[in-house]
Amino acid sequence: QVQLKESGPGLVQPSQTLSLTCTVSGFSLSRYHVSWIRQPPGKSLVWMGTMWASGNANYNSAVQSRLSISRDTSKDQVFLKMNSLQPEDTGTYFCARQRSFSDFYVMDVWGQGASVTVSS
Amino acid sequence: DIQMTQSPASLSASLGETISIECLASEGISSYLAWYQQKPGKSPQLLIYGANTLQAGVPSRFSGSGSGTQYSLKISSMQPEDEGDYFCQQSYKFPYTFGAGTKLELK
Repeated sequence: QVQLKESGPGLVQPSQTLSLTCTVSGFSLSRYHVSWIRQPPGKSLVWMGTMWASGNANYNSAVQSRLSISRDTSKDQVFLKMNSLQPEDTGTYFCARQRSFSDFYVMDVWGQGASVTVSS
Repeated sequence: DIQMTQSPASLSASLGETISIECLASEGISSYLAWYQQKPGKSPQLLIYGANTLQAGVPSRFSGSGSGTQYSLKISSMQPEDEGDYFCQQSYKFPYTFGAGTKLELK
């Protein structure tokens, strides 16, 4: 069964760094891609970036200077690190498996989400 | 960035009613369009990809259509379990972008 689960601190101080872990099961990170998506409270979804099966990553230019996505395939984990956090970074952070269906990349299985509040 | 304009923002439908949600891209996206459903407190679930292909396990009352810049999601015969938020998303160009969402409620 394909599953993803986010973990990390629920509260982060302004200007500090957010570190989240996405632990996957039921598929290999060497064969499938994983994306991070943020959802501010009551708002829509924002794609943050994708860790490709190749080991390369793409980032949303809006946060690229603050964001790093990495992985440890031996532990089936993908990591998100974002620095200089501000209150507007508050929201639920999802990781999702991204796969290709006939050249269409979609996020077909999502984690439950990790709620992050940026506040002093 | 490609802007995805979704309408309406909210919708109330009766049991068995047919509804449509529209998504307009700021430039052509060649059917690189997916639809997701999100229920309160839950993560999004993929409904449709490639503008009109139903994800496995999704009820056949859901359908998608469109091309170029204009796309739509149709639910024929609204059911109670269809209540939730619906989002369109383009994967034609980075950054992937989502519509603002449509809140669908049962009247």
